[in-house]
This record gives sequence, C-alpha cells and structure tokens, in this order.
Amino acid sequence: GDSVTQMEGPVTLSEEAFLTINCTYTATGYPSLFWYVQYPGEGLQLLLKATKADDKGSNKGFEATYRKETTSFHLEKGSVQVSDSAVYFCALSSGGYQKVTFGTGTKLQVIP
Amino acid sequence: DAGVIQSPRHEVTEMGQEVTLRCKPISGHDYLFWYRQTMMRGLELLIYFNNNVPIDDSGMPEDRFSAKMPNASFSTLKIQPSEPRDSAVYFCASRRREDYGYTFGSGTRLTVV
Repeated sequence: GDSVTQMEGPVTLSEEAFLTINCTYTATGYPSLFWYVQYPGEGLQLLLKATKADDKGSNKGFEATYRKETTSFHLEKGSVQVSDSAVYFCALSSGGYQKVTFGTGTKLQVIP
Repeated sequence: DAGVIQSPRHEVTEMGQEVTLRCKPISGHDYLFWYRQTMMRGLELLIYFNNNVPIDDSGMPEDRFSAKMPNASFSTLKIQPSEPRDSAVYFCASRRREDYGYTFGSGTRLTVV
C-alpha cells in the first residue's frame, strides 16, 4: 500500500538557518505529493503541492521538488523564521482515490 | 468563506458516555473526511463521504464509531460508548472534486476520563 516516510523530529534551528525536511514515499502509479503545515491548536493547512515528476511546488518561501527517480519530495526553505515553528506533514494521494496518506509529521522549532 | 467548522473545540466526557462531534464543510465541496490524530498513531483516516454518501469506512476502529452525513452541509461522528483510548484530536476536512488538497477544520480535542 501507499506510505510516506519523513524524518523524525524535532528539528531545532536558529532563525535564518536553512531548512530541509526529508520525505520519501511508496505508491502505485504516479501520486500527487503534498506538504501540509499544522500550527499549534489548529488543523492542517496545505502548504504546497506537486502533481507530476520534476514539478516544483512553492509557497511562502518553502519549496519541494517531485523526484520520481528517488521517490522523494524534500521540503526546503532558505531562511527560516520563528513564525515557521510548526509540525510539517508530507502526504500523497494516488490511483484516482480521494484518500490522502500522511507521514507522521516533523516538528520544527525555530529559535531567535 | 468561513472554512470547515467543527464543534465543539474541546470535549471532556466520562467513559461510557455518548459523544457526538460535528462538522460543517465548505459549501460546494464534494468530499468530506474524518481523521483522528494521536501521538502514537499520527493521522488516521476514519471515513470519507462523496456527495453525502459514505464511500470508505474501513478506518473506523470498531462498531462504537458511526458517522453520518444527512446533507451537504453537515456531518456527525458519534462514539457510543466512549472509552479512554478514544481520546484524540478529531479533524474534519473537505475538498472539491477538482482540487488536490484538503481544507481542514480546527479539530475537536476529545478527552475521555
């Protein structure tokens, strides 16, 4: 079945540091890939998406590139801010189904 | 657009009691999903609806859980009787057929004591 593996947290960075959160997936066919962000006490919000190989999703300074050859969708940001502190979830949907499979989440803490 | 609205935000109940969680999806969204989030198991899909019809309830833990969607603007998730292991944050999400991503509600934090 479909699965998503992402790096365990928490990840602690200083403000303005470079961020990478690794994500790899297993799926049948050609899934769509997503990053969601969850701020404390809130629901998940779609951060960015990519629907085919080599697509780059981007939003709010975050980027992720759909790498079919390595089945990866790593999240990056060049300079993190304290306000980026949250839990980040990698996710996929595949096979025409409406279900989305989520990773376990990576908590990011950015300190001033 | 008010987003996906869930109520209550917090619920504390005693073991054995019935609990009903409510969700109002975004108008025009075709799909509605119920998820449960715990530290141990992460996000689990419980059930989802398409045009008010339950499509896949394979994630519902057991017969104590039931979900309904009587119309396009309202859904309930009921637990009867509740148990301490049901303590979790329950999220409702909705989407349109042509969209890729979900819109999540703010969740209901359920504590069963």
